Amino acid sequence: QKEVEQDPGPLSVPEGAIVSLNCTYSNSAFQYFMWYRQYSRKGPELLMYTYSSGNKEDGRFTAQVDKSSKYISLFIRDSQPSDSATYLCAMSGETSGSRLTFGEGTQLTVNP
Amino acid sequence: NAGVTQTPKFQVLKTGQSMTLQCAQDMNHNSMYWYRQDPGMGLRLIYYSASEGTTDKGEVPNGYNVSRLNKREFSLRLESAAPSQTSVYFCASSADRGRLGYTFGSGTRLTVV
Repeated sequence: QKEVEQDPGPLSVPEGAIVSLNCTYSNSAFQYFMWYRQYSRKGPELLMYTYSSGNKEDGRFTAQVDKSSKYISLFIRDSQPSDSATYLCAMSGETSGSRLTFGEGTQLTVNP
Repeated sequence: NAGVTQTPKFQVLKTGQSMTLQCAQDMNHNSMYWYRQDPGMGLRLIYYSASEGTTDKGEVPNGYNVSRLNKREFSLRLESAAPSQTSVYFCASSADRGRLGYTFGSGTRLTVV
């Protein structure tokens, strides 16, 4: 079983929809949680970063971490066609050294 | 403002040929990484260098070697390329032991025929 599970999709939504992307994990030592966005034929870019539990908001994006359930989410409000990309979750802990563990990525398409 | 620079961007190799993928970062990051990305497999760590002078195996190191030339540069070498090494290769770097995330390069698309 993978340490981080992420539904690969694909997920297709109409413009303006609220999008919910999720990851579950098994390692209770994970404390640092990130979301990356990867456009086609590009490298991943860091979108959101959260430490431990709680919420973090940045414009239309909200990241949530529920450590008790080992579940993290990324919400995109008022989704735009420019949000069409693959979204990868990533996480690490004190025992991870400098390595991140990535989810497989969810492919999102926002239709005009 | 270059970030992480990878060369080449594209490469086609014949089975058995060798090549070196180059990576350089200008952010004074301590740690550097090499990943491969394949459909349905996600990002898989090949090798990493937590700091200058150290390298360690990741999840899929077989068939690869690395060199941390200095703090800026981290190269990946394929000694005898195989079709199974056809993939997109990403280099990344991080400060603060990766806790604040990685900065990725734009990737090298490698095809082995």
